[in-house]
Amino acid sequence: SQELEQSPQSLIVQEGKNLTINCTSSKTLYGLYWYKQKYGEGLIFLMMLQKGGEEKSHEKITAKLDEKKQQSSLHITASQPSHAGIYLCGADINAGNMLTFGGGTRLMVKP
Amino acid sequence: DVKVTQSSRYLVKRTGEKVFLECVQDMDHENMFWYRQDPGLGLRLIYFSYDVKMKEKGDIPEGYSVSREKKERFSLILESASTNQTSMYLCASSLASAGADTQYFGPGTRLTVL
Repeated sequence: SQELEQSPQSLIVQEGKNLTINCTSSKTLYGLYWYKQKYGEGLIFLMMLQKGGEEKSHEKITAKLDEKKQQSSLHITASQPSHAGIYLCGADINAGNMLTFGGGTRLMVKP
Repeated sequence: DVKVTQSSRYLVKRTGEKVFLECVQDMDHENMFWYRQDPGLGLRLIYFSYDVKMKEKGDIPEGYSVSREKKERFSLILESASTNQTSMYLCASSLASAGADTQYFGPGTRLTVL
């Protein structure tokens, strides 16, 4: 099993609907990073969370890190086709230089 | 804006060939990373470098080597390419020398080994 679990693995939503992607670990997340990847391309950095209870928003995307720093959620409000892609969470779980990544969530938005 | 570039977007090689994948970043970052991404397996770290001429093995270094002669350039080398090395290769860089920091990724190289 992976040290960082993402759910769901894939998601199909109707345009305009809200959705949530989760990223969970049994270990403390010293830094939690959300990335978006368009199909066949590199990762684009979205947001970073470090403090328990922290919440950040950018346009229609909100990311939260729980108080225990073991779970993060990414919430998209009023989804649009431009939100389609693969969302990956990456976390520093060893208090070091490296990130461990979740398996990714493939999001499809139907117009 | 941080810019990370990779030498090729798509590459097709034959089994046994020596393959070089190059990555360049323009933000004077200390750390550079090579990952491969495969369906169902996510991103897996191959090697990383925290300084010129310094390298550390990641989770799956077998069959790969790296070179970092200049701070801005990090090369991944497949000494003798095999079909199981067909994958998407992603390079990343980050600033911090202690503690994880935001990693910025290149566009990826999709390598096919025939």
